Amino acid sequence: DTGVSQDPRHKITKRGQNVTFRCDPISEHNRLYWYRQTLGQGPEFLTYFQNEAQLEKSRLLSDRFSAERPKGSFSTLEIQRTEQGDSAMYLCATNIELNEKLFFGSGTQLSVL
Amino acid sequence: DQQVKQNSPSLSVQEGRISILNCDYTNSMFDYFLWYKKYPAEGPTFLISISSIKDKNEDGRFTVFLNKSAKHLSLHIVPSQPGDSAVYFCAASNTDKLIFGTGTRLQVFP
Repeated sequence: DTGVSQDPRHKITKRGQNVTFRCDPISEHNRLYWYRQTLGQGPEFLTYFQNEAQLEKSRLLSDRFSAERPKGSFSTLEIQRTEQGDSAMYLCATNIELNEKLFFGSGTQLSVL
Repeated sequence: DQQVKQNSPSLSVQEGRISILNCDYTNSMFDYFLWYKKYPAEGPTFLISISSIKDKNEDGRFTVFLNKSAKHLSLHIVPSQPGDSAVYFCAASNTDKLIFGTGTRLQVFP
């Protein structure tokens, strides 16, 4: 399978705990995006990387959120001190260049109790 | 500020008929538009795209129309099939990221 891979698919955690999600992109894709989707809404942009450089972060990305892409390959998204409002599907997507379609992974569904 | 809007949250169409999904945008700088399809518990899947230099793009049963003066695009599915039942998102871009609408749930019934 050479698509975008996300792990885990589901995560249930208690409020206040830290969680980390992983995204493995399509191998030749150097641009990697994180989006968040809640019920009844479209995917909302969180942040993106070109290779290992994080080029933009949304206002939605509070200080509790941090994303890394240390070697320009896989990426991690960490949420510290989770809140119930963080419950959502977190989507990773990749592409090769600007103004090109994004290839999405299956997402990580986070539930904060 | 919702830059990409899908004002119809749901649409129900009979199998074999045409499905028309609409999308409006406010940012005149958008120059690339896409439609994605999403099933529950899966990531969005790309369907079709159109550049702002065109007003129509067709791929099999799917056609996207772009009206720049009205800042409006639409997706036509002909003929509709039960497997087309999903949530459809339009998206727009002018720089380095896609901005998505809120989605339209399409149900195709026999």
